[in-house]
Amino acid sequence: DAKTTQPTSMDCAEGRAANLPCNHSTISGNEYVYWYRQIHSQGPQYIIHGLKNNETNEMASLIITEDRKSSTLILPHATLRDTAVYYCIVRGFKGGTASKLTFGTGTRLQVTL
Amino acid sequence: KAGVTQTPRYLIKTRGQQVTLSCSPISGHRSVSWYQQTPGQGLQFLFEYFSETQRNKGNFPGRFSGRQFSNSRSEMNVSTLELGDSALYLCASSLAVEGRMVFGSGTRLTVV
Repeated sequence: DAKTTQPTSMDCAEGRAANLPCNHSTISGNEYVYWYRQIHSQGPQYIIHGLKNNETNEMASLIITEDRKSSTLILPHATLRDTAVYYCIVRGFKGGTASKLTFGTGTRLQVTL
Repeated sequence: KAGVTQTPRYLIKTRGQQVTLSCSPISGHRSVSWYQQTPGQGLQFLFEYFSETQRNKGNFPGRFSGRQFSNSRSEMNVSTLELGDSALYLCASSLAVEGRMVFGSGTRLTVV
């Protein structure tokens, strides 16, 4: 499975866009990029995922570079409730079977007033 | 719609004992996976089940085992508990192995 690299921590002012980068330079063609976040010690929460194209949902946007070696999660208007650890995960699917989901160390996003 | 339910929420066990944790997935979800979270190692994958079959397994010793029942409910068992097994154990379910996962609140296990 491809490894991911994320900054350890980031700060963002409330109301501003939070842009969280992720490097996955060894990603292969059948691997998707997933984003989850974890608030305190709750279970991780799914945010968004994509393969090649940019994706948007009610929570966030995912921008994947053309060579797919990196991606950015965008929270358009961060609030204090978005303070959490954000995990970027790469997961492959082959022959109807998915590879195991491997969480890295994530980015601790701190949203401040 | 009920979420993923894990029981018990908290558990204290003594070294050498064994423990069984339970996970009830969201209705209709057939894939269940388990994770261990500790401050030092972060979130680590334990195993994943789909339709009662183990699909993936993480790098944990044989003391850690799991199973899935025909109703998709899953249990994990840890035998001969060690102090290092103290952790938050998280269960997640999804419609299929490749689907987005919904996590439970976890079972916090303390081994003394």
